[in-house]
Amino acid sequence: AQSVAQPEDQVNVAEGNPLTVKCTYSVSGNPYLFWYVQYPNRGLQFLLKYITGDNLVKGSYGFEAEFNKSQTSFHLKKPSALVSDSALYFCAVRDRNSGNTPLVFGKGTRLSVIA
Amino acid sequence: GAGVSQSPSNKVTEKGKDVELRCDPISGHTALYWYRQSLGQGLEFLIYFQGNSAPDKSGLPSDRFSAERTGGSVSTLTIQRTQQEDSAVYLCASSLRPGLNSNQPQHFGDGTRLSIL
Repeated sequence: AQSVAQPEDQVNVAEGNPLTVKCTYSVSGNPYLFWYVQYPNRGLQFLLKYITGDNLVKGSYGFEAEFNKSQTSFHLKKPSALVSDSALYFCAVRDRNSGNTPLVFGKGTRLSVIA
Repeated sequence: GAGVSQSPSNKVTEKGKDVELRCDPISGHTALYWYRQSLGQGLEFLIYFQGNSAPDKSGLPSDRFSAERTGGSVSTLTIQRTQQEDSAVYLCASSLRPGLNSNQPQHFGDGTRLSIL
């Protein structure tokens, strides 16, 4: 079975400070990992994904995520937060051998960037 | 269109009525997914279509829920005899055929906000 845990319901950070949104996963095989962002009254927007290779993945809007196999984590990071980054963030996983089956999502973390 | 399109964007109906929600996936995307997002909650998988294969209905919460995908493109999610607990945002997503790899992201529509009075 596949699962994703986002241990923080809410993360608050001051504008200009670095931000981290945590994610850990569980799959039986090797994972593909994804981050999405959701703004109010909108669907989920794809930010970045980890497939293979370099553990540090760069994505949209200056976000990046670091894959750590030993800790089964895929934390989302940004060096300098913007107020406009305030949104709901979802981590998702799919086992590499599961074809195009639906992604399994975490419950989301609400990021609030304070000016 | 350029993205996944869902209609209506908002739907208010009375308890006991049937509702139909529509999803137009991105052209060329063979996989289509329906999710439900309740207030303050994560995404709950409902149903998944891949090409001409039989859909994966394992996430449908009751037999009041059904979905079709005609011609491998547009999909309709139908909820019969709606209940107040059906109130949620219903999100549709699509993705490319995976080929040898299953690393394709899902692209989401903006959802239908369903309110049952």
